[in-house]
Amino acid sequence: AVRMTQSPSSLSTSAGGRVTVTCRASQSIDGYLAWYQKKPGKVPKLLIYAASTLQSGVPSRFSGSGSGTEFTLTISSLQAEDFATYYCQQYYDYPLTFGGGTKVEIE
Amino acid sequence: QVHLVESGGGVVQPGTSLRLSCAASGFYFSYYGMFWVRQAPGKGLEWVTLISYDGNNVYYGDFVGGRFTVSRDNSKNTVYLQMTSLTIEDTAIYYCGRGHAAARGYFFEHWGQGTLVTVSS
Repeated sequence: AVRMTQSPSSLSTSAGGRVTVTCRASQSIDGYLAWYQKKPGKVPKLLIYAASTLQSGVPSRFSGSGSGTEFTLTISSLQAEDFATYYCQQYYDYPLTFGGGTKVEIE
Repeated sequence: QVHLVESGGGVVQPGTSLRLSCAASGFYFSYYGMFWVRQAPGKGLEWVTLISYDGNNVYYGDFVGGRFTVSRDNSKNTVYLQMTSLTIEDTAIYYCGRGHAAARGYFFEHWGQGTLVTVSS
């Protein structure tokens, strides 16, 4: 199975700050990577797919980049509603796998 | 508008079985692969299974070990997850959803609200 490793596991920042989350795959997954946002008590939300394509309706402060084995999710200017846990997911091969998550907390 | 409603969750004892259902509306159900993803308390997201649009292809997470079976009834716009030999580690919120097919696999585009499964003696 393709193992997805996210770093950091958590981070603290203030509103308006820039956030970068890294996701590394144990083998090349080309660009078959998605990012999700999960808030407590809420449904997971698709943010980005194909490593860098923004899902419809997602604010442009979210962006994704990378290919092969290393990917990043960037939030350019953190808003209050962005405090959540973020997960990457590879869909290059079965079993489909998620990263362990990165919790973004308010500083 | 895509609408997905899970049902069938509850409290069950270890070793027993449970069937979850997911009723879909707002899109042409027969065109889309459907997935189940779960989240145990305090844990991350874990993919459970995916069934192709016609039911001919099914895939499971490694932890399933033959205990779960996914199926669908396109005439009822419903996908099912039959779970057997449940253990305490299966306690989680189970989300169903509509997948988006890519060249190799699926990502998870639309999610239901989830149904809670608690396995406890």
